[in-house]
Amino acid sequence: GAGVSQSPSNKVTEKGKDVELRCDPISGHTALYWYRQSLGQGLEFLIYFQGNSAPDKSGLPSDRFSAERTGGSVSTLTIQRTQQEDSAVYLCASSGRDRGGRMSDEQFFGPGTRLTVL
Amino acid sequence: DAKTTQPNSMESNEEEPVHLPCNHSTISGTDYIHWYRQLPSQGPEYVIHGLTSNVNNRMASLAIAEDRKSSTLILHRATLRDAAVYYCILRGFRYSSASKIIFGSGTRLSIRP
Repeated sequence: GAGVSQSPSNKVTEKGKDVELRCDPISGHTALYWYRQSLGQGLEFLIYFQGNSAPDKSGLPSDRFSAERTGGSVSTLTIQRTQQEDSAVYLCASSGRDRGGRMSDEQFFGPGTRLTVL
Repeated sequence: DAKTTQPNSMESNEEEPVHLPCNHSTISGTDYIHWYRQLPSQGPEYVIHGLTSNVNNRMASLAIAEDRKSSTLILHRATLRDAAVYYCILRGFRYSSASKIIFGSGTRLSIRP
């Protein structure tokens, strides 16, 4: 598809289990972002990948959270030993060149993964 | 980190203009002002961004104060589809650290038919 896709759309897990959330950015986009949004709250920045540079992990809330981006495309956000406070919608966004070939900061968001930790 | 302040909620009538304010008194000279909106049950979508001069696009206009400590997103003729949460964020130079991206809680805009 032409947009950012995320999977799964919904994930229910038990406290203490590990989960993996996947993001497929727009083809050719060099920047990829992960955010999370708790119910009724704004977006909380988690991590940012830009090309081959070291990712900006400054938003990750604890060492249970990690993310990787393989081949500069697909990204996986992993949450280990999930806790109930991890329940949220996890959003991925990407940015890159616009249709005119110019680099753009406009972020295109995916539909998100709703994570529920029981 | 530079932070933005927005009213929690606003209401407007359909087909009337809407002015959504944003304060960013600690903005730095290299920060761009971005606006996104989030419709119910969807991810955010880009609306507009600017640095110093006022900007117009097909969705909205962005009026930036001369001292850049505040800005206003203008929807010229609101429709019911414009009901959403509007986020004003600051973003440094392209490729710079993303740690300054703070969406905050935004303004929930309701449109009366």
